[in-house]
This record gives sequence, structure tokens and C-alpha cells, in this order.
Amino acid sequence: KQEVTQIPAALSVPEGENLVLNCSFTDSAIYNLQWFRQDPGKGLTSLLLIQSSQREQTSGRLNASLDKSSGRSTLYIAASQPGDSATYLCAVSSDGNAGKSTFGDGTTLTVKP
Amino acid sequence: NAGVMQNPRHLVRRRGQEARLRCSPMKGHSHVYWYRQLPEEGLKFMVYLQKENIIDESGMPKERFSAEFPKEGPSILRIQQVVRGDSAAYFCASSPQVQSSYEQYFGPGTRLTVT
Repeated sequence: KQEVTQIPAALSVPEGENLVLNCSFTDSAIYNLQWFRQDPGKGLTSLLLIQSSQREQTSGRLNASLDKSSGRSTLYIAASQPGDSATYLCAVSSDGNAGKSTFGDGTTLTVKP
Repeated sequence: NAGVMQNPRHLVRRRGQEARLRCSPMKGHSHVYWYRQLPEEGLKFMVYLQKENIIDESGMPKERFSAEFPKEGPSILRIQQVVRGDSAAYFCASSPQVQSSYEQYFGPGTRLTVT
């Protein structure tokens, strides 16, 4: 059974800092890994998708890396802004069942002006 | 291209009533997924459907819950005889048929409150 853990559970940083969010998973036989953002009371916004054959993906100030063998992914946010404040979720789909994603509990990020 | 649509956005039901949650996938998407987010908890997979087929329902409670995705119309998640423990946010996601990435796009969710 796949388990996904995100550390830390909460993070508070001053505006402008670079930061890293961590995601670990127990079963390395994954199909893909997806990072989402969730604002309070809202749905999920997809940030980055990494296929199992890829090592990283970049979008603007965001960079996600994947180390399948060690069961880890990181989301790097450069030059953080108050608008980045949200909960960041990591979701992993398994190789044998690509349609079913297992989510971590998320990291709640607060960026202070 | 409209995103994934869910309605209603908020639903209040008394214990014992039925709740019907609707999800219209993005245009061109024929895979639908339902997830539940209980208060102060993470998202949990419930069911994965394609048109007229249930692919994986391993996350569905064995009683009172059912899901369908008919040939025409939205996907429906039905909860019969609701109890207070069913109060949660229910999210629907969709992904395209031919794309192999299985990237999921989420709707805004339906927040169910059982009184």
C-alpha cells in the first residue's frame, strides 16, 4: 500500500526566501507524481506533473524533482511571495493503477510580507 | 475551455436523506475520479470511472455510496441515508482519454454538511 508523507506540515517564511517542500513515498513503482496547490475552501490547482521517467519539471518560479529510487520528491519555490501562501499537496499514482492517486497531508505555507 | 465543474458547491442534508453530487469533466476528458477530504484530513481516493464503467472503486465505503458516469451527462456520486460522518468536501477530477500522463484536473469541490 502506497503511503505519502509531506514534511514539514507547516512552514512560515519571510517574503523573498527560497524554500523547499518535501514529499516521500513508500512504493517506488510509481507512474507519476503531481504537485498541487490548495487555497482555503477551494479546489486543487495542478502545479507540476513528473512522469516516472523524468527527473524534474519547471514552471516559472517552481521546480519539482523526483528521485524514484529513494522515494522522494521536492518542490522548490524561488523568491517566495505572499501570494504563494497555500497548502501544497503531493500526489503519487502507482505503476499498476495510474488512475488512482495517493495524496500526502500537505504542507501549509505562509509567506509573510 | 471550461474546467471541471461540480454542483452544487454547497449541500446541506439532514441525517437519513440522500445526497447527489454532480461532476462535469473538462471537454475531451473521459476519465473521472472522486476524492473525499474530511475535516482536518487529507484527500482520499474513492473511485475512478470511465464512461459507463467503474475502473477502480477500492476507496468507496461498502454501503450507502455509489458512483456512475453515464454515456451522456455528468458523473454522479450518490450517498444514501447520510450520516454526520459523511460531512466533508468531495472533489472530482478528470483526465483525458488519449493522454498517457493521467494528469488530473480538479473541480472546486462540493462541501456536504449533514445536520
